[in-house]
Amino acid sequence: DGGITQSPKYLFRKEGQNVTLSCEQNLNHDAMYWYRQDPGQGLRLIYYSQIVNDFQKGDIAEGYSVSREKKESFPLTVTSAQKNPTAFYLCASSGETGYEQYFGPGTRLTVT
Amino acid sequence: AQSVTQLGSHVSVSEGALVLLRCNYSSSVPPYLFWYVQYPNQGLQLLLKYTSAATLVKGINGFEAEFKKSETSFHLTKPSAHMSDAAEYFCAVRDSSYKLIFGSGTRLLVRP
Repeated sequence: DGGITQSPKYLFRKEGQNVTLSCEQNLNHDAMYWYRQDPGQGLRLIYYSQIVNDFQKGDIAEGYSVSREKKESFPLTVTSAQKNPTAFYLCASSGETGYEQYFGPGTRLTVT
Repeated sequence: AQSVTQLGSHVSVSEGALVLLRCNYSSSVPPYLFWYVQYPNQGLQLLLKYTSAATLVKGINGFEAEFKKSETSFHLTKPSAHMSDAAEYFCAVRDSSYKLIFGSGTRLLVRP
């Protein structure tokens, strides 16, 4: 089945540790996105990539980093510089038309 | 710049009643508009999209939305609510660089 996978579903870390969230897609989509979701705030764009080896900052990139070495993969690292990392993180991708985005199941990160 | 406003963070309806979720947008270019649904602890699923074709758009699960340029609106409706429709709904507009701008969401509660 084609789709987007995110792992793990739940992730727990201690404050001060970096953590990497996985996002893989087999839809052959060029563009991929990372969003952060907090209660009552909708989705906020962290980073996006429209092509391999290239990515751009979104609205809230501070404290995050990404890489895009393969078309299928777009991992997100939450660094210790992110002041409030506890949130639900969603990965998405879009195809040639760039119209709709397709979302993965999300990773809930809790940092204590 | 593009933006989306969803009126009402919570909407409550009785099972079998009409569902109306409101979305107003602002866009400096002809808009592409989307409605997504999110069930608890899951990713977003595309309900329907408007991409400058027919102004009345039909989606999955019996939902539809009407694009009204004069009112800058894209309200989501369903004639008869089911218990399974209880979820959070997000309206989004695509900006000129293929990113999606999301509203803050509306949580639909369905009373038995």
